[in-house]
Amino acid sequence: DQQVKQNSPSLSVQEGRISILNCDYTNSMFDYFLWYKKYPAEGPTFLISISSIKDKNEDGRFTVFLNKSAKHLSLHIVPSQPGDSAVYFCAASAIRNTGRRALTFGSGTRLQVQP
Amino acid sequence: ETGVTQTPRHLVMGMTNKKSLKCEQHLGHNAMYWYKQSAKKPLELMFVYNFKEQTENNSVPSRFSPECPNSSHLFLHLHTLQPEDSALYLCASSPEDRAHNEQFFGPGTRLTVL
Repeated sequence: DQQVKQNSPSLSVQEGRISILNCDYTNSMFDYFLWYKKYPAEGPTFLISISSIKDKNEDGRFTVFLNKSAKHLSLHIVPSQPGDSAVYFCAASAIRNTGRRALTFGSGTRLQVQP
Repeated sequence: ETGVTQTPRHLVMGMTNKKSLKCEQHLGHNAMYWYKQSAKKPLELMFVYNFKEQTENNSVPSRFSPECPNSSHLFLHLHTLQPEDSALYLCASSPEDRAHNEQFFGPGTRLTVL
């Protein structure tokens, strides 16, 4: 049973427009959320994160929104650029009963930004 | 370049072979991770090491055997694998595994088991 779900496997957006990538989670113990971006033949790279005590975090063109009651987060990219074309992974962090943290990942959304 | 390197980048092996994947991080981190990514599936955490001590084994079959000789190096020894083990194997590191630290990933090893 997937605890972190990215229900859209792909998304296509025109250059200059907004890209919105969505992520849903089921485990209420998650208290920290991250977005990673992955280009082909490279490992995922960290993009932006948000703590569960916040509902928004912004970094340049990237903004992450968290709706705890809906267990939903989204990544907004404005304006979208062709170089943003990649696979985006949502990840959630929780403290386990060992006292240690681990990340649980979604299956990814492939974003294509059309010039 | 994230400071995490993995070798080899591609590996093809038979089910009776023994091979090893290597990961090295140059970031001064103390936690290292192995993940498996199968096609169209989420990254699956396999093992976690913190200060060279294994802190998590996510019910991984014994045909995968990790080794962490020091905080900078992590190995995954493979033997008698199955075709369904074909996947991208990613190594990651973070300062340690107790805080809100983002993980830095290597480029992965694409493994094909024939």
